[in-house]
Amino acid sequence: EEQLLESGGGLVQPGGSLRLSCAASGFTFSSSAMSWVRQAPGKGLEWVSVISGGGGRTYYADSVRGRFTISRDNSKNTLYLQMNTLRAEDTAVYFCATGGASYNSGWANYYYGMEVWGQGTTVTVSS
Amino acid sequence: DIQMTQSPSSLSASVGDRVTITCRASQSISSYLTWYQQKPGKAPKLLIYAASGLQSGVPSRFRGSGSGTDFTLTISSLQPEDFATYYCQQSYTAPLTFGQGTKVEIK
Repeated sequence: EEQLLESGGGLVQPGGSLRLSCAASGFTFSSSAMSWVRQAPGKGLEWVSVISGGGGRTYYADSVRGRFTISRDNSKNTLYLQMNTLRAEDTAVYFCATGGASYNSGWANYYYGMEVWGQGTTVTVSS
Repeated sequence: DIQMTQSPSSLSASVGDRVTITCRASQSISSYLTWYQQKPGKAPKLLIYAASGLQSGVPSRFRGSGSGTDFTLTISSLQPEDFATYYCQQSYTAPLTFGQGTKVEIK
């Protein structure tokens, strides 16, 4: 069974840092692009970032570019999101998910959506 | 960025009703459109990919249609487990963008 399990969320002060992890099992992790999606309390879904299967290609939403870094360790079947200079508006449940996009001369034209999702980890940015 | 607009934002319906949710893109996205269902406190669940492809394990009462800028999710006969929030999402080009969601409530 394909599974994703996020961890690393918590309470952090504005300007602080946090690293989220997403452990994958049940599928060939290195073959799958991976995305992070977040959901602020009572709000809709916001896509955050994507990384290619090999890890060499990444893309970020404007709202996090320059502050967040997506990475992966295929030897550990684990996806990461390093979040720096956190703001109150980054408060959300963060989900990792398979797919979302694929890189082929650009991040575009992906039919298959985000198929497998983790249960989410909560990040609260507050003083 | 491509904007995705869903309508309505919420609706009330009864078990057995036919429900239709629409999603409009700010520019043509061909058929690069996915529908998700989300229940409170849970992760989203993929229902429809490529505008009309039914994800494995999803009941056939869910149907997606459309291409270009206008898309529709139809639930042919609403079941108790279908009360949830539904989101559309484009994957034509990054950044990926979601609609604001449509909450389907019990009448």
